[in-house]
Amino acid sequence: GDSVTQMEGPVTLSEEAFLTINCTYTATGYPSLFWYVQYPGEGLQLLLKATKADDKGSNKGFEATYRKETTSFHLEKGSVQVSDSAVYFCAFKAAGNKLTFGGGTRVLVKP
Amino acid sequence: DAGVTQSPTHLIKTRGQQVTLRCSPKSGHDTVSWYQQALGQGPQFIFQYYEEEERQRGNFPDRFSGHQFPNYSSELNVNALLLGDSALYLCASSPELDRSNTEAFFGQGTRLTVV
Repeated sequence: GDSVTQMEGPVTLSEEAFLTINCTYTATGYPSLFWYVQYPGEGLQLLLKATKADDKGSNKGFEATYRKETTSFHLEKGSVQVSDSAVYFCAFKAAGNKLTFGGGTRVLVKP
Repeated sequence: DAGVTQSPTHLIKTRGQQVTLRCSPKSGHDTVSWYQQALGQGPQFIFQYYEEEERQRGNFPDRFSGHQFPNYSSELNVNALLLGDSALYLCASSPELDRSNTEAFFGQGTRLTVV
């Protein structure tokens, strides 16, 4: 069935380090792919999205490329800040308007 | 624009009771979805409402029901509460137009604790 697998956290980094969070998906059809971020005590905010193969989504220094051949959508940021500490969720939307989420990856950036 | 608003923000209920959670979608959005997020997990899709009807449903028992009003706002009802229903309940809204590609906007959620 439809599912999203993302690396388990927590991921602990120093400020200015490089961040990668792996995400792979199993979906029918051609899904749109999303990364959402959840800060402590808050709801989900869209970080970036990609709607077709080879599209690159980017926002706030984060990037992810839609890789259809490997069914992946890995999130990267070249230099993280303390303010990037949050939980990151990979998700897709296939048929209909329903989002399927991964389990989330907690990222902690230390000064 | 206030975005998606949910009420209440926190709620404590006893096992066996019933609860109603409320959601007002972002202005211009006509589709409302509900998700359950257990502690330390990703959100799980409960159901989606459009034109006052349930359009899609996830793998949740019939104890979970909902409603959408003509102004697009929505309610989530849970009957016969179980301890396992303790979670953050998230409401998301989106426009029906171009529904496969558009962003879903989430509210802050309602934290339900069942004791």
